Amino acid sequence: RKEVEQDPGPFNVPEGATVAFNCTYSNSASQSFFWYRQDCRKEPKLLMSVYSSGNEDGRFTAQLNRASQYISLLIRDSKLSDSATYLCAVNPRNTGGGNKLTFGTGTQLKVEL
Amino acid sequence: EPEVTQTPSHQVTQMGQEVILRCVPISNHLYFYWYRQILGQKVEFLVSFYNNEISEKSEIFDDQFSVERPDGSNFTLKIRSTKLEDSAMYFCASSNGGSSYEQYFGPGTRLTVT
Repeated sequence: RKEVEQDPGPFNVPEGATVAFNCTYSNSASQSFFWYRQDCRKEPKLLMSVYSSGNEDGRFTAQLNRASQYISLLIRDSKLSDSATYLCAVNPRNTGGGNKLTFGTGTQLKVEL
Repeated sequence: EPEVTQTPSHQVTQMGQEVILRCVPISNHLYFYWYRQILGQKVEFLVSFYNNEISEKSEIFDDQFSVERPDGSNFTLKIRSTKLEDSAMYFCASSNGGSSYEQYFGPGTRLTVT
């Protein structure tokens, strides 16, 4: 099983739609989870951290399910500018930021008129 | 808003040559990282650096690679003898550790080995 797994997509959705991505991770001891956005040939940009209680930032909601070892990202009211690749990243140990991130391959989102 | 910067944006080199990729992390950050992304593939961890030493490295980070923080602001990645398969986008990232484990990435250096 891959350490971090995502459906590569693409997810083609109309503007205004709600879309959800899941990401599964294999290491049950993983402590920190993140969603990044990556535009073509650009750097990953931190979208949001994922907390056990779930968190929301505007149209974006992230949730963590430790029992099933997955995190999710929900985007409401999709906009054309949301078109990008969404990367799931997992930090296996919670020791103050000195540890690597393991990334998934990313899920491509295309928002269409 | 503070950001990570990297130079050069694109480096072309011949196989066997040495390259140095440079990064300026966010100024109050303590943890520094290098990642690479081969075209069409996922972002892969290379090395993490804290308190002037490597804290973790991946299998990719072999003896051909080294990192250094030569002064208070720069963080460099050196590849001693480049191979064709080193062609990739190299990203530097930094984190302030503590209660926040979030890593912020620079714009990357595209390395092309011919």
